[in-house]
Amino acid sequence: NAGVTQTPKFQVLKTGQSMTLQCAQDMNHEYMSWYRQDPGMGLRLIHYSVGAGITDQGEVPNGYNVSRSTTEDFPLRLLSAAPSQTSVYFCASRDSYPSGNTIYFGEGSWLTVV
Amino acid sequence: GNSVTQMEGPVTLSEEAFLTINCTYTATGYPSLFWYVQYPGEGLQLLLKATKADDKGSNKGFEATYRKETTSFHLEKGSVQVSDSAVYFCALNGISGSARQLTFGSGTQLTVLP
Repeated sequence: NAGVTQTPKFQVLKTGQSMTLQCAQDMNHEYMSWYRQDPGMGLRLIHYSVGAGITDQGEVPNGYNVSRSTTEDFPLRLLSAAPSQTSVYFCASRDSYPSGNTIYFGEGSWLTVV
Repeated sequence: GNSVTQMEGPVTLSEEAFLTINCTYTATGYPSLFWYVQYPGEGLQLLLKATKADDKGSNKGFEATYRKETTSFHLEKGSVQVSDSAVYFCALNGISGSARQLTFGSGTQLTVLP
């Protein structure tokens, strides 16, 4: 029962470095998304995808890129890391309609940019 | 757009006390409503959900009722335990576009003392 798998769990980056957070799900879900969690702000949507080859921006997309070449994978790229991107990142997936379908989260990736 | 307003914490209770965490929402149409729980150092887990008005979600002694007339989904538990200490997030899942992804409240930190 892998569910949603995120890697790495912890990462420290220097300002200006780039990196990719990996996310994979084995439930054949169409919908995948990335959130960031910051103190006092809940989780905010960065990017999402409604199927392979289709992505769109969420609430806080700046500084991040995504692609969805397969149903299973949805990597999040930080192009040039900034201290403001220090956060906990969660990948999530769910099946398509209805909207009541459970959304499954990965265990999170703790990122620190120094 | 969609939004969720959640009771601010932190909340500290003694074991066996009654818990209420207030949650109200703004959304178009008929969203699905969720409570997620995050234990220290872990990802988010679905606690309960409700997909239509007057539905009651329940799990592990927690309950919440979808009240369309007051746009609320308050979380309650009759007798909390130390093991319930966690951060609780209210969320909604809309019906179109990026609104299909979860919109979260800011989270409420609950600490239960023995």
